[in-house]
Amino acid sequence: QVQLRESGPGLVKPTQTLSLTCSVSGGSVGSGGYYWTWVRQHPGKGLELIGYIFYIGNTYYNPSLKSRLTISADTFNNQFFLKLTSVTAADTAVYYCATMSTNVYIDSWGQGTLVTVSS
Amino acid sequence: DIQMTQSPSSVSASVGDGVTITCRASQTIYTRLAWYQQKPGKAPKLLIYAASTLQSGVPSRFSGSGSGTDFTLTISRLQPEDFATYFCQQGDRFPPTFGQGTTVEIK
Repeated sequence: QVQLRESGPGLVKPTQTLSLTCSVSGGSVGSGGYYWTWVRQHPGKGLELIGYIFYIGNTYYNPSLKSRLTISADTFNNQFFLKLTSVTAADTAVYYCATMSTNVYIDSWGQGTLVTVSS
Repeated sequence: DIQMTQSPSSVSASVGDGVTITCRASQTIYTRLAWYQQKPGKAPKLLIYAASTLQSGVPSRFSGSGSGTDFTLTISRLQPEDFATYFCQQGDRFPPTFGQGTTVEIK
């Protein structure tokens, strides 16, 4: 089974850029078969799909975040990345990297990382 | 976006009880529905996909049913490890969307 681990700053100032890395083992971000996905969960709330990268050059971004969002990947280091610009307190959440099957079910998850947006 | 509405938002039950959670989609999603279990401080875990297919390793006391807009997750004979929050998720239209969650609490 694929294993994923998020890393990045736990505190970001308003208006700055949130940047996270997902390190992958047991699978290859350069291969097909999975959508390499980011999901977030606001404190005490439900889950929101942020977007994914597939076959490196193909991405999907949630329309609600699209103008601020970039998802990219590094096949050499088997990692994929999230960049979210112009953050506000509303972006405070636990961010998960995950694998989503082509049937659009999320079958592997990282442990999650809390990102707080605050000055 | 397709709205997913779960009920109830929480339920109290005892070990050994059966529990049913309902998920309703704002438009038909055929059988493109998944259920996840989440424990405090942990990532969600896929339990069921395609409305009724048990993910590998998930105990058979979990079952799912439904199609179209109405779906249920049933846990028979609750075990202590089943007390958690459960989410449904539709996979028919992008973006995939989740229900708000149902917490199964110990009575």
